[in-house]
Amino acid sequence: KAGVTQTPRYLIKTRGQQVTLSCSPISGHRSVSWYQQTPGQGLQFLFEYFSETQRNKGNFPGRFSGRQFSNSRSEMNVSTLELGDSALYLCASGFTGEGEAFFGQGTRLTVV
Amino acid sequence: AQRVTQPEKLLSVFKGAPVELKCNYSYSGSPELFWYVQYSRQRLQLLLRHISRESIKGFTADLNKGETSFHLKKPFAQEEDSAMYYCALYNQGGKLIFGQGTELSVKP
Repeated sequence: KAGVTQTPRYLIKTRGQQVTLSCSPISGHRSVSWYQQTPGQGLQFLFEYFSETQRNKGNFPGRFSGRQFSNSRSEMNVSTLELGDSALYLCASGFTGEGEAFFGQGTRLTVV
Repeated sequence: AQRVTQPEKLLSVFKGAPVELKCNYSYSGSPELFWYVQYSRQRLQLLLRHISRESIKGFTADLNKGETSFHLKKPFAQEEDSAMYYCALYNQGGKLIFGQGTELSVKP
């Protein structure tokens, strides 16, 4: 069974630009969650989608948004990028989203 | 506030020695706790969850509600156990609250 796939693996963007990251969950999983990982703050929850509905959202500004499609694939978007948005963005999928999560390898975003 | 604390950033032991990675949590309610592990150049993966009470790769973790702890233990560490370990608390709606992680280094 294929694992969680995130694309692209690496991105370099300029301040003020926007970016879209993609996540393909494991087949059959309906929950997709997103995390930001930085050396200073560790792993922080961004949001979670289940069957195309956002169920929960972390404490991030409105510049961070996401969506989920009917095939459970998910995208997250960050608008008006800031230097502090440089991080590893991890996507995780699960059957129910109740703690047991399968993680992708992440997208490394660098904002210059 | 819900919080997970892993007090040690780095834990270094010799092969064959016992290892205990500490995790304390703050949660009002009945907690669901997990340990995730990330080996070098691999993705973050689930090691164990408290409700299953399984032993995975020789690791066990017991939930102590009185001490609000969920420490990870292994009686005899192996070099292949060297990795980053994260304790996590399930909140609701797909949200995991992670500790800052403990890097375990097992020396030969």
